[in-house]
Amino acid sequence: NAGVTQTPKFQVLKTGQSMTLQCAQDMNHEYMSWYRQDPGMGLRLIHYSVGAGITDQGEVPNGYNVSRSTTEDFPLRLLSAAPSQTSVYFCASTLLAGGGSGANVLTFGAGSRLTVL
Amino acid sequence: GENVEQHPSTLSVQEGDSAVIKCTYSDSASNYFPWYKQELGKGPQLIIDIRSNVGEKKDQRIAVTLNKTAKHFSLHITETQPEDSAVYFCAASIRTGTYKYIFGTGTRLKVLA
Repeated sequence: NAGVTQTPKFQVLKTGQSMTLQCAQDMNHEYMSWYRQDPGMGLRLIHYSVGAGITDQGEVPNGYNVSRSTTEDFPLRLLSAAPSQTSVYFCASTLLAGGGSGANVLTFGAGSRLTVL
Repeated sequence: GENVEQHPSTLSVQEGDSAVIKCTYSDSASNYFPWYKQELGKGPQLIIDIRSNVGEKKDQRIAVTLNKTAKHFSLHITETQPEDSAVYFCAASIRTGTYKYIFGTGTRLKVLA
């Protein structure tokens, strides 16, 4: 199993450009999510999905779009990049526990470092 | 809103000594508290977790304690080794059923040989 695969690992954009960060998992996890990691800020949830066709916003969703057409893939789109979106992005997935217990072990990808000039 | 405070932000210990990292959460409905270790250039990886119906959990040199009344939980690493050097994040679940977590701001642990 590859686990959670993120591409690209590094990307430099100019302000206003668009791009998509790819995330794929081969563990048949229902739940997938995107976090951004900034110095001194920890990990902040951008968007998440509990299954194909279902997405919802996290703490910092502005400027980002997501879709979930398959169980395996959860791409993150930046429609018009801004310098404030310079960050390291992590995709994470997990199986959903029955009954909504909230106890799920997140498996993270290796991260995508994005710089917006 | 929900918040998780984590202290200290950096911690240096001599090899063989113990390290303690503390977190405080605000959402009284939180019922799951994982700890993640992030090595340089990698994604975070779960090292230990605890649920709200348990006060303490141990796994070899690592232990986590939870005080629900005070809303804080701590990570204890004994007999530290150089390979324990990493960034550690605590997290707390929010609103059962949403599968959301609020993460602390991280602690950079350095184990000095």
